[in-house]
Amino acid sequence: EAGVAQSPRYKIIEKRQSVAFWCNPISGHATLYWYQQILGQGPKLLIQFQNNGVVDDSQLPKDRFSAERLKGVDSTLKIQPAKLEDSAVYLCASSQGTGRSYTFGSGTRLTVV
Amino acid sequence: TQLLEQSPQFLSIQEGENLTVYCNSSSVFSSLQWYRQEPGEGPVLLVTVVTGGEVKKLKRLTFQFGDARKDSSLHITAAQPGDTGLYLCAGAGGSNYKLTFGKGTLLTVNP
Repeated sequence: EAGVAQSPRYKIIEKRQSVAFWCNPISGHATLYWYQQILGQGPKLLIQFQNNGVVDDSQLPKDRFSAERLKGVDSTLKIQPAKLEDSAVYLCASSQGTGRSYTFGSGTRLTVV
Repeated sequence: TQLLEQSPQFLSIQEGENLTVYCNSSSVFSSLQWYRQEPGEGPVLLVTVVTGGEVKKLKRLTFQFGDARKDSSLHITAAQPGDTGLYLCAGAGGSNYKLTFGKGTLLTVNP
């Protein structure tokens, strides 16, 4: 089975610019997650979708971050405007449902300069 | 907020040695997962433990969930260079089984 696809793999932008990341989960996985992993730390949940609805976005900085999963399949995460502290790896994961095991993508490494 | 503390943060050992990594919390979790992450890749699930006191073995890796479901350990026997990576524990809790990760243990096994 194909894994979780993410693009781009790497992105370098200047602060105050905008950036978008894309994720295509495993086919049939209803639950999709976006995590932020800062160097030296474990992943932190930004947002969780169940189909196309948001389940948890309590740790998403909503003044600059937004995410959508319009058709309940692939998802995009946007940052506008970016700050230096947004430099991190952004991981997408999917599962068949809440409480089921996760499969992670390879991530997008964002560097804000 | 549920926090998971992992120790040690860094571990460098020689091939053939044994090691244990710990994951501790003051919170009770529905289940606990262990992942291994290699540079440039996402975490890969190794095991999920659900029952207090549960022990699971995966080849040379032994995972244990504490009786109170607040802590866990990962023991590796006869470590090999291929075991090198970041080992992350993650606890699931709450109505949506939100997964909370520890900061990880960075293991280096030298040949």
